[in-house]
Amino acid sequence: AQSVTQPDIHITVSEGASLELRCNYSYGATPYLFWYVQSPGQGLQLLLKYFSGDTLVQGIKGFEAEFKRSQSSFNLRKPSVHWSDAAEYFCAAAGGSSASKIIFGSGTRLSIRP
Amino acid sequence: GAVVSQHPSWVICKSGTSVKIECRSLDFQATTMFWYRQFPKQSLMLMATSNEGSKATYEQGVEKDKFLINHASLTLSTLTVTSAHPEDSSFYICSAREAGRNYGYTFGSGTRLTVV
Repeated sequence: AQSVTQPDIHITVSEGASLELRCNYSYGATPYLFWYVQSPGQGLQLLLKYFSGDTLVQGIKGFEAEFKRSQSSFNLRKPSVHWSDAAEYFCAAAGGSSASKIIFGSGTRLSIRP
Repeated sequence: GAVVSQHPSWVICKSGTSVKIECRSLDFQATTMFWYRQFPKQSLMLMATSNEGSKATYEQGVEKDKFLINHASLTLSTLTVTSAHPEDSSFYICSAREAGRNYGYTFGSGTRLTVV
């Protein structure tokens, strides 16, 4: 069955420190991959997406993600976090037909320590 | 860029009544619409997928008679929660996709439903 796994429920990092949020997927073939951010009570904002090509993807707000086929991973990184980055982060995947649905991971809540 | 307008952003209704949530694609034709539900501190769970002019396909465990989805036009899809109960209180989000746009999914801003 298709699935997206985010092993970390909650992560706390100090402001200015680097960040890495983990994401693993299980699909029959390489899916299209996404990272979204959600602030409390708000909708989703797309940070970045991977379809094909360069495995290091640049996104908005200084985020990047690296696709590693051998590890079935798509981890999100940021070199220096800001207090405003505190939010819920969702990794998601879609694959197969042109009308494929997006499946979301369980999310990782990011807290920033002053 | 593509925009999906979702209304209302929040609604409170009495138990037993029905509530309709609308999603409109403002500058593109939403050939496929996805409806998600999100309980507090949980992830987004897909409820159903609808293609314009066709009946919606519901995910396992989602009651199709309770959550009525209409996708009669390429710019409008609605989700009606019928005979709502407190356990239906949740955050509902739609996502629209236009045929030919390579995995360009556009999400609405969500609707917070509270059933009292």
